[in-house]
Amino acid sequence: EPEVTQTPSHQVTQMGQEVILRCVPISNHLYFYWYRQILGQKVEFLVSFYNNEISEKSEIFDDQFSVERPDGSNFTLKIRSTKLEDSAMYFCASSPFLGGDYEQYFGPGTRLTVT
Amino acid sequence: QKEVEQNSGPLSVPEGAIASLNCTYSDRVSQSFFWYRQYSGKSPELIMSIYSNGDKEDGRFTAQLNKASQYVSLLIRDSQPSDSATYLCAGGDDYKLSFGAGTTVTVRA
Repeated sequence: EPEVTQTPSHQVTQMGQEVILRCVPISNHLYFYWYRQILGQKVEFLVSFYNNEISEKSEIFDDQFSVERPDGSNFTLKIRSTKLEDSAMYFCASSPFLGGDYEQYFGPGTRLTVT
Repeated sequence: QKEVEQNSGPLSVPEGAIASLNCTYSDRVSQSFFWYRQYSGKSPELIMSIYSNGDKEDGRFTAQLNKASQYVSLLIRDSQPSDSATYLCAGGDDYKLSFGAGTTVTVRA
């Protein structure tokens, strides 16, 4: 069964450094998303992406964040200058969005630790 | 008002019993709803989607949506120890999902 994959599984970085989290969505899906979950808290929406542009973004998704689909398979989240409060699990998700099917399928996540 | 709220829990049920989970949502949430299961340290796993009023059954799981009351529920029948997890209610559309805080279910053997 097709799955969303994410790399790396765990990323440790120093405050102020740039990180890039990578995702390979399910191949025939059209919508891509990033969510994050701070330890012990709920899953929070960051951004959605369709047809090579951002569809919607949350207040969390400020100028430090950017997304890109650099080729036909990868979808990346870049954090330009990491802060301690960016430490969280980051989940990529994708959705087919065909015939009103809005189901989103999540990848295994990248645990980002900012020291 | 929070967009999606899950007030019940944690929930402990004996093996073989029915676990009942509830979720309410605000007007700001679109009309598509989802239940996810999340094991500790893992990612959310989609269990059910429900888009229209009424019940939807899939194996041991039944989701119910009541748009007039802005209420979504999930029943887990014949609960198994492997059902022990946090269950997340989410509402949304093609652009984003809003998640509740989750209800932790423990199935006692």
